[in-house]
Amino acid sequence: GQNIDQPTEMTATEGAIVQINCTYQTSGFNGLFWYQQHAGEAPTFLSYNVLDGLEEKGRFSSFLSRSKGYSYLLLKELQMKDSASYLCAVRGGSSNTGKLIFGQGTTLQVKP
Amino acid sequence: GAVVSQHPSWVICKSGTSVKIECRSLDFQATTMFWYRQFPKQSLMLMATSNEGSKATYEQGVEKDKFLINHASLTLSTLTVTSAHPEDSSFYICSTEGAPNSPLHFGNGTRLTVT
Repeated sequence: GQNIDQPTEMTATEGAIVQINCTYQTSGFNGLFWYQQHAGEAPTFLSYNVLDGLEEKGRFSSFLSRSKGYSYLLLKELQMKDSASYLCAVRGGSSNTGKLIFGQGTTLQVKP
Repeated sequence: GAVVSQHPSWVICKSGTSVKIECRSLDFQATTMFWYRQFPKQSLMLMATSNEGSKATYEQGVEKDKFLINHASLTLSTLTVTSAHPEDSSFYICSTEGAPNSPLHFGNGTRLTVT
C-alpha cells in the first residue's frame, strides 16, 4: 500500500523558523512535492525533490532522504500570510509524469 | 508553466440532479488529467485518471457510474456527478499530467454544494 504521514497541526511565531516533516511508504518513487493551500483555494506548488539533499528556494527549503522515506519543508522568517495547509505529495509508480498521492496536510498557524 | 482552467468555480444543486465540471488545459495538449476531491479539513484524494480517447481509470472505492469522466479532446476533460446527494458536497479539483519531473498544475477547483 501507499502511506504518507505528516503532522495534522503546527503553530509557530511570526519571524521564526518551522519544520514540517513528512514520511512516506510508496510503490516506486518519482519525486516528492510540497504544496501550499489556503482555505477554499487550489494548491500552489512550493518545491520538488527527486534526489537526496536540500533544495532551497527563498524562504522555503525542502529536504529528502529516499533511504529513510523522509522529507521536511523548512519555512524561515515566518509571515502571517504563511498560515495555510502544507501538503506533502509523492509521485509513485514507474512514471515521472504521473499522479500524485497526497498526505493529509499540515495546518500551520502563524501567531504574532 | 501549464495553465489549467476549471469551471464552474462553485455550484449549488438540488439532490438528485447532475452537475458537470469542466477542466481545460489552455497552453498545451494533455493526454492525461487527474481528478481529485477534497472534503473539509482533509487532503486531496485522487478519484480518477482521465485518458484522452479511452476510458478513465478510477481509484478504489470511487463509483465510475456516479462520477462520469469524458476526455474527448486533448484540451478538455469533464467530470459529471450524476444523481448528486448531499454527501457529494465537496471541493473537486482537476490537474494536468506534469512534464517529466515536474509538478502537477491544478485548476482553481469547483466547490459543489448539494442541498
